[in-house]
Amino acid sequence: DVKVTQSSRYLVKRTGEKVFLECVQDMDHENMFWYRQDPGLGLRLIYFSYDVKMKEKGDIPEGYSVSREKKERFSLILESASTNQTSMYLCASRDSGYEQYFGPGTRLTVT
Amino acid sequence: AQSVTQLDSQVPVFEEAPVELRCNYSSSVSVYLFWYVQYPNQGLQLLLKYLSGSTLVKGINGFEAEFNKSQTSFHLRKPSVHISDTAEYFCAVSLFGNEKLTFGTGTRLTIIP
Repeated sequence: DVKVTQSSRYLVKRTGEKVFLECVQDMDHENMFWYRQDPGLGLRLIYFSYDVKMKEKGDIPEGYSVSREKKERFSLILESASTNQTSMYLCASRDSGYEQYFGPGTRLTVT
Repeated sequence: AQSVTQLDSQVPVFEEAPVELRCNYSSSVSVYLFWYVQYPNQGLQLLLKYLSGSTLVKGINGFEAEFNKSQTSFHLRKPSVHISDTAEYFCAVSLFGNEKLTFGTGTRLTIIP
């Protein structure tokens, strides 16, 4: 059974804190993605990675960075969290048939 | 750049009735099309996809969708819905050979007993 796991389901952080969201996949996929999901806006792509140490900006990269040191792990970093980054964050990996497999999500609240 | 429009943000349907969730896309080049479902408090999972071939695509849980190139649509249908179909449904598009997936804003399907 394919699996994408995310380090936390719920997270509460203070404004200005550095936040790390971790994602791990066990399917040996090359492509991994970070999205944020907001009501009425659907999913928006923050960053994606097509190989170890390779990354590309998505549609809303401002305020975020990513790290991919190993194939199975893709981290999203909020350098200095702000209240407008309160959201649901979803990680996904993609197979060769273009199907994306999603983790359960991390609901981040920044106060 | 591609874009996706889901015109209906909420669709209420009686149990055992048919349903159609609408999706239109805009792109000047060939596309891949997807429908994902998100059950409450879960991540997304793939319902079905169109990459090439037959324009009528069958997916899981009795859903199907038809790719209509002339109308740039990819509507999702089910002939008889169940309570368990209550979820949010997302249409998504990617350009041929492109890694990025663009999602619509979602349609919340509510089944009325």
